[in-house]
Amino acid sequence: GESVGLHLPTLSVQEGDNSIINCAYSNSASDYFIWYKQESGKGPQFIIDIRSNMDKRQGQRVTVLLNKTVKHLSLQIAATQPGDSAVYFCAEYRQGAQKLVFGQGTRLTINP
Amino acid sequence: DAGVTQSPTHLIKTRGQQVTLRCSPISGHKSVSWYQQVLGQGPQFIFQYYEKEERGRGNFPDRFSARQFPNYSSELNVNALLLGDSALYLCASSLSGVGSSGANVLTFGAGSRLTVL
Repeated sequence: GESVGLHLPTLSVQEGDNSIINCAYSNSASDYFIWYKQESGKGPQFIIDIRSNMDKRQGQRVTVLLNKTVKHLSLQIAATQPGDSAVYFCAEYRQGAQKLVFGQGTRLTINP
Repeated sequence: DAGVTQSPTHLIKTRGQQVTLRCSPISGHKSVSWYQQVLGQGPQFIFQYYEKEERGRGNFPDRFSARQFPNYSSELNVNALLLGDSALYLCASSLSGVGSSGANVLTFGAGSRLTVL
């Protein structure tokens, strides 16, 4: 069936290191892939997105990579800071269905 | 500027009861979507409304219903509550239908946490 899944449920990194969060998807017809950050007690917050016809997109301290051959998406966070601690979700947008399909999430914890 | 506001923030109900959750979108946004987030999982799509019409429905039973008002605010209703309905209910708004100018236009509220006992 269709799904957006994550390789790891938790990730711990040292402050200042780079973080890489991975995601696998199964629907090759998706139009966009999006990363959201959800802090405790808050709703998901948009981080960055990438269109399905792109391979890479960079934002401020974040980079998203899309490998359509293996249906893999990753979020790279440079120089991880304590404020980056959160649960990160990948999601895919399917225009025909007018909805986002979210993965389970990866909890990122930062070690001082 | 106010973001997406949801009420109530927390509520406790018992099985069989009914609940109404409310959402006010960002000013100028005409589309509202509802998502259910069970603890430890990603949000799941329930409904999308645009210009007061239902534009999308997820795989939820008929106990779930929603509507959008002329001022673009929205209500989500759940009847005959089950223990499994315990979750964070998220509302998201966008200027228009999701995807018309990129999927990133969805802005989420903080959610209404429903506990069913």
